[in-house]
Amino acid sequence: NAGVTQTPKFQVLKTGQSMTLQCAQDMNHEYMSWYRQDPGMGLRLIHYSVGAGITDQGEVPNGYNVSRSTTEDFPLRLLSAAPSQTSVYFCASSSWTNTYEQYFGPGTRLTVT
Amino acid sequence: RKEVEQDPGPFNVPEGATVAFNCTYSNSASQSFFWYRQDCRKEPKLLMSVYSSGNEDGRFTAQLNRASQYISLLIRDSKLSDSATYLCVVLGGGADGLTFGKGTHLIIQP
Repeated sequence: NAGVTQTPKFQVLKTGQSMTLQCAQDMNHEYMSWYRQDPGMGLRLIHYSVGAGITDQGEVPNGYNVSRSTTEDFPLRLLSAAPSQTSVYFCASSSWTNTYEQYFGPGTRLTVT
Repeated sequence: RKEVEQDPGPFNVPEGATVAFNCTYSNSASQSFFWYRQDCRKEPKLLMSVYSSGNEDGRFTAQLNRASQYISLLIRDSKLSDSATYLCVVLGGGADGLTFGKGTHLIIQP
């Protein structure tokens, strides 16, 4: 099993550009989520999904969209990048019976100039 | 008041020593508690769960004090490979249930 994969590993965007961060898992987990991690701020939840077709907002959803068309994939879209979105983005998944044991992807380091 | 608080450190500890750090949580309705470990520039990984009766896994012991709303992690006979950031995680305190602390940075020195 590859676990949770994320692409790209690194990305530089200009203010106003849009892009999609990809996330996929091969563990048949129902629950998937996106976090951002900033120095001194810890991990903050952006959006999460409890299954295909179901998404909900987390703590910091503004400026981001998600969709969950399949169990495996959970892409995160930045609509119009801003310097405040410079961060490390982690995707995570877990089974519904063990949501506390989240398996994280390796992260995407995004810089917005 | 922040939901989950940790001393960010860094804790500089000589190899072989015992080190302990705490985490406090504000939501008394929180249900479950965990410690995650995050190595530099890597993703977080579950280290261990924390039970009311305490939980020991090799050199690591985690304990919960519900009355004072804190959990602790104790590492005995510390190794260089224990150097990492330790994240306190609380279930039942946030939007999706999991709330992460900002982490405690531990450096084990030879």
